[in-house]
Amino acid sequence: GENVEQHPSTLSVQEGDSAVIKCTYSDSASNYFPWYKQELGKGPQLIIDIRSNVGEKKDQRIAVTLNKTAKHFSLHITETQPEDSAVYFCAASKGDSWGKLQFGAGTQVVVTP
Amino acid sequence: SAVISQKPSRDICQRGTSLTIQCQVDSQVTMMFWYRQQPGQSLTLIATANQGSEATYESGFVIDKFPISRPNLTFSTLTVSNMSPEDSSIYLCSVDISRRGSNEQFFGPGTRLTVL
Repeated sequence: GENVEQHPSTLSVQEGDSAVIKCTYSDSASNYFPWYKQELGKGPQLIIDIRSNVGEKKDQRIAVTLNKTAKHFSLHITETQPEDSAVYFCAASKGDSWGKLQFGAGTQVVVTP
Repeated sequence: SAVISQKPSRDICQRGTSLTIQCQVDSQVTMMFWYRQQPGQSLTLIATANQGSEATYESGFVIDKFPISRPNLTFSTLTVSNMSPEDSSIYLCSVDISRRGSNEQFFGPGTRLTVL
């Protein structure tokens, strides 16, 4: 089955700097890659996603890139703010297992003022 | 997106008892899922809740331990049966919704279960 690895496990950045989280996946049939933000005591919130027919997607300060050949995808947060502090999860799924998300282990992001 | 609610939001239960968690969505959805998030860990899919038929369980999860109901397209329940302290986790329901021509998955707020 699919295996998703996520790095780093923790990431401390100064406010205003950029944060990058990287994930790799094992199943070349995976074609959907969402990113979730989970704040303490809350459920995961979908922040951005990318599909295999796209190499990059951007939404304000957040961007995601996908390299299908290398089977890795990354989340980029620019101009970080204290409210970006949370746990971020990457995930992957494929068409014949629609909706079954395989999650990475998560990255604890701390943005210090 | 959809508004997803779960009841209870948290509970503390005794070993050997069972707890039923409810998930309500504000619109009809085809696919609903149940996940478990153990303390400080990632999310693991328990099962897909199928409307009108038995749930589809992932490897390592069985119906006797986690019976699921899906009576209609807006509601599902997950029961954690014969609980032990190892069942202490956050249980999350999610729904798959078609938006802007693509499917996206949204999560409820979770049910925080502590088993003593």
